[in-house]
Amino acid sequence: AQSVTQLDSHVSVSEGTPVLLRCNYSSSYSPSLFWYVQHPNKGLQLLLKYTSAATLVKGINGFEAEFKKSETSFHLTKPSAHMSDAAEYFCVVSEADSWGKLQFGAGTQVVVTP
Amino acid sequence: EAGVAQSPRYKIIEKRQSVAFWCNPISGHATLYWYQQILGQGPKLLIQFQNNGVVDDSQLPKDRFSAERLKGVDSTLKIQPAKLEDSAVYLCASSPGGGATDTQYFGPGTRLTVL
Repeated sequence: AQSVTQLDSHVSVSEGTPVLLRCNYSSSYSPSLFWYVQHPNKGLQLLLKYTSAATLVKGINGFEAEFKKSETSFHLTKPSAHMSDAAEYFCVVSEADSWGKLQFGAGTQVVVTP
Repeated sequence: EAGVAQSPRYKIIEKRQSVAFWCNPISGHATLYWYQQILGQGPKLLIQFQNNGVVDDSQLPKDRFSAERLKGVDSTLKIQPAKLEDSAVYLCASSPGGGATDTQYFGPGTRLTVL
């Protein structure tokens, strides 16, 4: 069975400072891992995904995430937050035999202050 | 490339009424998904279609929810009768093939309020 735990429900950062969103996963098989972002009243947008290639994954808008199998983690980072990064972020896992079924975490709400 | 289209964007109904949502996936995408997102939670898969066949409907409350994907293109999700706890955003997504590594593309969602 697959599951995802996002360790922070809310994160507040100042503009220009680093962002760290923490995610731990549980998976019986080789997982694919994703980060999606959801801006208010907009659809979910893929930031990046890990599919068993390079463990450091670069995504859109300066985000990146590192897959650490030993720690079962897939934390999302950005060196410098921008006001437009204020949104809800979801860590998502999909197992190899799951026909693409996504298991979402509960989400982390990011607030960016000037 | 046009994205996933959904309608209506908002719907308010009384409990015990019926409601239907429509989704048109990205052209050529074989797999279509319906998710339910309750306020404050991550989306939960309700049903997955591969072309016009059901792959997974294990979390669909079949006593009141139904979905179809005729001709393997667009899809409708119906709730009959609605309950208060069905208030949520209903998201449609599509992907090219349906594998675990496929990117799913999401529509804007339909926000349902049941009074």
